[in-house]
Amino acid sequence: AQSVTQLGSHVSVSEGALVLLRCNYSSSVPPYLFWYVQYPNQGLQLLLKYTTGATLVKGINGFEAEFKKSETSFHLTKPSAHMSDAAEYFCAVTLASNNDMRFGAGTRLTVKP
Amino acid sequence: EAGVTQFPSHSVIEKGQTVTLRCDPISGHDNLYWYRRVMGKEIKFLLHFVKESKQDESGMPNNRFLAERTGGTYSTLKVQPAELEDSGVYFCASRTELPNTEAFFGQGTRLTVV
Repeated sequence: AQSVTQLGSHVSVSEGALVLLRCNYSSSVPPYLFWYVQYPNQGLQLLLKYTTGATLVKGINGFEAEFKKSETSFHLTKPSAHMSDAAEYFCAVTLASNNDMRFGAGTRLTVKP
Repeated sequence: EAGVTQFPSHSVIEKGQTVTLRCDPISGHDNLYWYRRVMGKEIKFLLHFVKESKQDESGMPNNRFLAERTGGTYSTLKVQPAELEDSGVYFCASRTELPNTEAFFGQGTRLTVV
């Protein structure tokens, strides 16, 4: 079975600062990894995903994430935070073998002016 | 193309009553998932359908919860009888048969048991 750990339930950054949201996974087989974002009063939407190939993946709104197999990590970053990035972010893992999907606990990002 | 829709958006029921939540996935999506989120905690997996079959129901809390997906189209999640701890937001998601593709989420049903 797979699982996801997101370190830090709340992260606060200043506008223009680096955003780093951490995600570690455990899986017995190579997983597919996703980051979803939930803006206030909206449903979850896909930010980016890693399936195969290049380990650094770029998503919407300037976010990117790097798959590091040796560290079992898939941390989400953005060089410069914008006020509109304030939202809750969820890391998810899917196994190719059975299409099961599991989520982390989520990280709420606050951006200060 | 319509997205994933969930009904109702909110439900307030008394302890001991029955509630049925519905999820209409995107047409053609074989995989349908139910999740629950309680008070800002983790998005907890409940179960996973592949077409009309339950692929994994290991997350279902107890036998008060019953999920169905007749005909492999929409799904229902019934809670009977409801308890206070069942309160939370119930999310549904659907995906094609390909595990490396995006899952699409409904807006959720906020269930409050009083």
